[in-house]
Amino acid sequence: KNQVEQSPQSLIILEGKNCTLQCNYTVSPFSNLRWYKQDTGRGPVSLTIMTFSENTKSNGRYTATLDADTKQSSLHITASQLSDSASYICVVSARGSQGNLIFGKGTKLSVKP
Amino acid sequence: GAGVSQSPSNKVTEKGKDVELRCDPISGHTALYWYRQSLGQGLEFLIYFQGNSAPDKSGLPSDRFSAERTGGSVSTLTIQRTQQEDSAVYLCASSSGLAEYYEQYFGPGTRLTVT
Repeated sequence: KNQVEQSPQSLIILEGKNCTLQCNYTVSPFSNLRWYKQDTGRGPVSLTIMTFSENTKSNGRYTATLDADTKQSSLHITASQLSDSASYICVVSARGSQGNLIFGKGTKLSVKP
Repeated sequence: GAGVSQSPSNKVTEKGKDVELRCDPISGHTALYWYRQSLGQGLEFLIYFQGNSAPDKSGLPSDRFSAERTGGSVSTLTIQRTQQEDSAVYLCASSSGLAEYYEQYFGPGTRLTVT
């Protein structure tokens, strides 16, 4: 069964600190993996998208990594800001799936002053 | 330019009533998707449209759920005889092509509460 698992479920860090969020997936055949940021009461917004051949992708203070062999991805946030408080969702697409993306349950990040 | 819009933003309805949720995609986007986000759960795929046709309805949870898209633009998701388990945030997204390859842009969602 195609699944995406994320950890931790929630995380609290102090402003200015770094953190890393994890994503494991069993989706096959793999097409691409995305990380989304979802602010409370808003729709998800894309941060990065990586295909099989990409190991890392950065978007400002956000850096995503992908290990397609172990089917793991991580999202590293550098020098966190209060505005980083949100849910971070890992999404995997299977080849030929057309529209059916597989979403993780997300990691809820709280950045405290 | 304008993003994906959804209406209403909040809807409270009594069990057994029908509801209609509306999605206005980004102009020119041919693909449109509906998802459901229940409390503490990940987004659940419901249905997608390519133009006005819906090749994949496999995610609709029951025959009480239906969706249509007219003119390749606006879409409505209808839930008949609502049940309490239908309470969730319903998100719409659009893309310029199939989501497997193209970026999806999400609307703010409609929060449905069935009492």
